[in-house]
Amino acid sequence: GDSVTQMEGPVTLSEEAFLTINCTYTATGYPSLFWYVQYPGEGLQLLLKATKADDKGSNKGFEATYRKETTSFHLEKGSVQVSDSAVYFCALSAYYGNNRLAFGKGNQVVVIP
Amino acid sequence: DAGVIQSPRHEVTEMGQEVTLRCKPISGHDYLFWYRQTMMRGLELLIYFNNNVPIDDSGMPEDRFSAKMPNASFSTLKIQPSEPRDSAVYFCASSPPGGFYNEQFFGPGTRLTVL
Repeated sequence: GDSVTQMEGPVTLSEEAFLTINCTYTATGYPSLFWYVQYPGEGLQLLLKATKADDKGSNKGFEATYRKETTSFHLEKGSVQVSDSAVYFCALSAYYGNNRLAFGKGNQVVVIP
Repeated sequence: DAGVIQSPRHEVTEMGQEVTLRCKPISGHDYLFWYRQTMMRGLELLIYFNNNVPIDDSGMPEDRFSAKMPNASFSTLKIQPSEPRDSAVYFCASSPPGGFYNEQFFGPGTRLTVL
């Protein structure tokens, strides 16, 4: 079935460092891809999305490019801030017309001042 | 818009008690999803509705869990009887019509603790 795999373990880095969180997917057809962010004590909120191959989603300095050839959607940010500390989820929506999302397990990101 | 509204925000109950979680989706959204989040299992989809009709409840853990959506603006998730292993954060999310690339809008969650 359709699934998303995120890199294992939390990510701890210093302020202004470069952030990469890997995400690969398995899907039939051509899914849409999403990154959601969950700040402490809150629900998930959409960070960015891409709906077709080679699309780049971007928001708040974060970027991710839909790579069909490598089935990946890695999240990057050039210079993180303490306020970026959160849990980041990669997700895909397969083309079943039901708005159902398959989520990865999430990565805790901790940015140290 | 107020966003997805969930109540209560926190619930502490004793094993064996009935628990009812409530959700009000965003007006105009015709999909509603119930998720459970735990450290061990991550984010799990329990059930989702389209136009108030349950479409897929394969994620509901067992018969102790039930969900209803009597109208477009209200849904409940009930656990009866509750057990300590049901302790988790329960999220409701809604999504507008129009296609598979629509984002889901999440509520703030209900943190359930079963003693």
